Amino acid sequence: QKEVEQDPGPLSVPEGAIVSLNCTYSNSAFQYFMWYRQYSRKGPELLMYTYSSGNKEDGRFTAQVDKSSKYISLFIRDSQPSDSATYLCAMSLDNYGQNFVFGPGTRLSVLP
Amino acid sequence: NAGVTQTPKFQVLKTGQSMTLQCAQDMNHEYMSWYRQDPGMGLRLIHYSVGAGITDQGEVPNGYNVSRSTTEDFPLRLLSAAPSQTSVYFCASSYTGSNEQFFGPGTRLTVL
Repeated sequence: QKEVEQDPGPLSVPEGAIVSLNCTYSNSAFQYFMWYRQYSRKGPELLMYTYSSGNKEDGRFTAQVDKSSKYISLFIRDSQPSDSATYLCAMSLDNYGQNFVFGPGTRLSVLP
Repeated sequence: NAGVTQTPKFQVLKTGQSMTLQCAQDMNHEYMSWYRQDPGMGLRLIHYSVGAGITDQGEVPNGYNVSRSTTEDFPLRLLSAAPSQTSVYFCASSYTGSNEQFFGPGTRLTVL
């Protein structure tokens, strides 16, 4: 079993749809959870960052962490074509910037 | 600020050749790292450094060397290229104590 699992997609949705992206993980020691967005042929950029369980909202984006189920989600409301990218979940044991584990990414296409 | 820069953008090597991938950052970040990204595998850590003069191995270090003589630069050396090293390589940096990593644009390497 991989340490972090993520459906690779591709996921295609119409503009304006609500998108749900998910990751499951096996190591219950993970404390910090992140979502990175990666446009084609670019480096990943941090989109959302949460600590422990709970929700965090930033504009159209909401990150949810359920540590009891070892499951994290990213919701995108009113999706736009500019949201078309690969979304990588990442998690870390600590806040030292090390010990990252990344999921393989889900490719999302938002169709106009 | 230029952020994290990487050169070259593309490179083709023959098996057995050596080369150095360059990475530089102008944000005065202590922590720098190298990842490789392969389809379905996510980002995997090759080597990292917590400051000038200090380096350590990540998940997949074999076939790669690094050094950190300055805060700004963190080159990755391929000693004797193999087809299995065909990948996209990303350099990242962050402040120590932060999980927000800043990624460079990547180097696409093909080994024939």
